[in-house]
Amino acid sequence: EAQVTQNPRYLITVTGKKLTVTCSQNMNHEYMSWYRQDPGLGLRQIYYSMNVEVTDKGDVPEGYKVSRKEKRNFPLILESPSPNQTSLYFCASSAGQSNTEAFFGQGTRLTVV
Amino acid sequence: AQSVTQLDSHVSVSEGTPVLLRCNYSSSYSPSLFWYVQHPNKGLQLLLKYTSAATLVKGINGFEAEFKKSETSFHLTKPSAHMSDAAEYFCVGKTSYDKVIFGPGTSLSVIP
Repeated sequence: EAQVTQNPRYLITVTGKKLTVTCSQNMNHEYMSWYRQDPGLGLRQIYYSMNVEVTDKGDVPEGYKVSRKEKRNFPLILESPSPNQTSLYFCASSAGQSNTEAFFGQGTRLTVV
Repeated sequence: AQSVTQLDSHVSVSEGTPVLLRCNYSSSYSPSLFWYVQHPNKGLQLLLKYTSAATLVKGINGFEAEFKKSETSFHLTKPSAHMSDAAEYFCVGKTSYDKVIFGPGTSLSVIP
């Protein structure tokens, strides 16, 4: 089954404690991206990657890092989380063409206290 | 710059009545356009997509959307709302550079 898998689904952490949210896709997609969803702000892109070893900032990259060492994985790293990073996070992947849809993970609800 | 606008942040309809969720786009290129639905505490599910093959696109669960280039619109419709349609709906555009642009979302409520 084609899918994007995020882990964990829920996470509560403390300020400053480094964490990683994993994202894996099994569709051999070149393009992967991370979004955060906040009430009243919709989905905003954090980072995206057009292929292995190619990453770029989205609209709200501050406080986040990503890596793309393998095609299937695109982890989101918060080196020093802060309460304003409390949000619902989605990973997505799509094939390289513009007419192909994005597939989304189930989301990770992160709370930073 | 490319953008996607959803004109209504919230729409409320009675069960069995038509649904209209509005979306307009701005793009220098011919975009690919999509509608996604997000039910509470769930991920985003693709409803339908427009990729220049046909201007009227049919999707899942009885939804359809019509691409109107002259109006730069891609409104989502359904003839008869069902309670299970209550959700958040996102209009999404993709440019030729493959950047995904989300609209702000429209929350649909269905009144019994």
